[in-house]
Amino acid sequence: GQNIDQPTEMTATEGAIVQINCTYQTSGFNGLFWYQQHAGEAPTFLSYNVLDGLEEKGRFSSFLSRSKGYSYLLLKELQMKDSASYLCAARDSNYQLIWGAGTKLIIKP
Amino acid sequence: SAVISQKPSRDICQRGTSLTIQCQVDSQVTMMFWYRQQPGQSLTLIATANQGSEATYESGFVIDKFPISRPNLTFSTLTVSNMSPEDSSIYLCSVSPGTSSSGANVLTFGAGSRLTVL
Repeated sequence: GQNIDQPTEMTATEGAIVQINCTYQTSGFNGLFWYQQHAGEAPTFLSYNVLDGLEEKGRFSSFLSRSKGYSYLLLKELQMKDSASYLCAARDSNYQLIWGAGTKLIIKP
Repeated sequence: SAVISQKPSRDICQRGTSLTIQCQVDSQVTMMFWYRQQPGQSLTLIATANQGSEATYESGFVIDKFPISRPNLTFSTLTVSNMSPEDSSIYLCSVSPGTSSSGANVLTFGAGSRLTVL
C-alpha cells in the first residue's frame, strides 16, 4: 500500500532550527510536496522536490532522497508565526497525491 | 495564484440532515477537487469535480452520500447528505491552476468548511 509517515508533533525554540522528516512509500514517484497549514486556515504550498538534493527558499529548505524514500523540511531562524502544521505529500505514478497526517510544529519563546 | 472562496466556513448540523458547501474560484480552472480533513488524519481526496460531466469519486466515497455539482469552470458544490457524527470534519475545495518553478502542478486550497454533526 501507499503510505506517508511524519512525526505527529514537534516543539522548537524561537530562533532555532528544526527538521521535519517524512518517509514515503508509493507506487512510482512523481515528486514530493510540502505544505504549511495554520490552524483554521487553508494549506499553502511551500516546496516541491522531484530530483535528489536540497532546494532552498529563504528560511525554508527541502531535501529529497528518492532511493531512501525520504524527505525533510528544514526551517531556520524560527519565528513564532512558523507555528503550524506541515504536510508532506508524495505524488505517485498516476499523479495522485498521497498525504501525510501532518506535523504540528510548536514554537516556544 | 487562484483565490478560492469557500462557504460556509463552519456549521453545526443535526444528524440526518444535508449541507451543501460552495466553492467559488476567481479564475477559470479545469480541475477542482474536494478533500476531507479529519482531526489528526491526512487529507483525503473525496472526488474530482468535472465541468460538464459527473464527478470522479475516490474509493470509499459515493455520489449518493457526496453529490457534487460543477456548473461552470469557476464554481462547484459538495453536498454531505444524511449526515452522521462520523461526517464531522473539515471539507476543503482545491484547484490546480499553477505550477511551481520546477514545473509541478501546485494545489491551491480554500480555507475549508468545518462541519460538526450532532
